Amino acid sequence: QAVVTQEPSLTVSPGGTVTLTCGSSTGGVTSDHFPYWFQQKPGQAPRTLIYDTNNKESWTPARFSGSLLGGKAALTLSGAQPEDEAEYYCLLSYSGFRVFGGGTKLTVL
Amino acid sequence: EVQLVQSGGGLVQAGGSLRLSCAASGFTFSSYWMNWVRQAPGKGLEWVATIKGDGSEKHHVDSVKGRFTISRDNAKNSLYLQMNSLRADDTAVYFCARGFTFWGQGTLVTVSS
Repeated sequence: QAVVTQEPSLTVSPGGTVTLTCGSSTGGVTSDHFPYWFQQKPGQAPRTLIYDTNNKESWTPARFSGSLLGGKAALTLSGAQPEDEAEYYCLLSYSGFRVFGGGTKLTVL
Repeated sequence: EVQLVQSGGGLVQAGGSLRLSCAASGFTFSSYWMNWVRQAPGKGLEWVATIKGDGSEKHHVDSVKGRFTISRDNAKNSLYLQMNSLRADDTAVYFCARGFTFWGQGTLVTVSS
């Protein structure tokens, strides 16, 4: 099955902007992979931020946005807050099968 | 309010079996794909299995094929994961999810070798 790759770790300054990416071993990521983005904090279940590339859940803060960028799915955080420090996972669909990325540990410092 | 309440986790010996349950409420259960996702201690998320609303389509990750089976009972608004031939590397917190939007609280499965 496919391998989905994410940056292992990233650091952003409070108020800064950072982009997390999600690539696929099978080639470029497209909207047909229905990219999801999740935020997970220690001891908690994942929380969906973005679905189908760029759609936000009702609880998703406006500072998060999803897109396709250079053949990858991307999650951009504009105006980082201390509470955004967490693990972020992407998920891609492959004809009924799903694969999570390895996660990006985002530090706000 | 959408609720997914999980049960059935615990400690089991390698080679043993366990069935996880996920009781759904607050939505029309039969209308939604449901998923199982697991997370080994200190590791990332791994998608395990998915099932269509009417149960007519299922998919399992390769590592559990032939050992785990996802199923549902729409009359009981419940999702299940039957886990057989358990191995130490199946040790994880298992989450059920409606699509991938709403998640259960997670249940720990520990397989002792």
